[in-house]
Amino acid sequence: SQQGEEDPQALSIQEGENATMNCSYKTSINNLQWYRQNSGRGLVHLILIRSNEREKHSGRLRVTLDTSKKSSSLLITASRAADTASYFCATDGSGNTGKLIFGQGTTLQVKP
Amino acid sequence: SQTIHQWPATLVQPVGSPLSLECTVEGTSNPNLYWYRQAAGRGLQLLFYSIGIDQISSEVPQNLSASRPQDRQFILSSKKLLLSDSGFYLCAWSVRGGDSPLHFGNGTRLTVT
Repeated sequence: SQQGEEDPQALSIQEGENATMNCSYKTSINNLQWYRQNSGRGLVHLILIRSNEREKHSGRLRVTLDTSKKSSSLLITASRAADTASYFCATDGSGNTGKLIFGQGTTLQVKP
Repeated sequence: SQTIHQWPATLVQPVGSPLSLECTVEGTSNPNLYWYRQAAGRGLQLLFYSIGIDQISSEVPQNLSASRPQDRQFILSSKKLLLSDSGFYLCAWSVRGGDSPLHFGNGTRLTVT
């Protein structure tokens, strides 16, 4: 079953604009992770935020987590054409098994 | 550094034929190993995950099976492929324990005809 659901499914912006993607999940978590996938390739880990953290930054990425609403957001600032990809959130559940359940993803297109 | 190898990159197989996809990890010991499948334009579906040799959990009932003959080798198999088995298969590994990101291979595009 799907744990994370991303919103929107697709997003198209101009280079230099900010892109915000949202993720909602259903059960309690230990951490939430964001991944990026270029077309036809494997996923690449971007950032991990633990359940006791509210915000985390990595370069142009900012992730927030609201455990009361069971939601997270990924903000990409000053987007570039190279940011064009699909972005997925993944949650681990509370069993600490290392098993990640992924959402459906947001497809981001950044126009030059 | 750790690397993950997954092959083949693409595969076209007729319905009813067997399948064997292989994944190996280098540069780490005792990894968790995972097989995911991704349908076109969709998210990832967890098929199998393993925390050790002969310790494999199946997440979705289907005609696929997984084996882990060595610590860093994970194999996805089928005796008879169905059309619905078409998709993008991704192998991944993580450090055993929680709070560890997954590291993915480049995937195998399987088309069952």
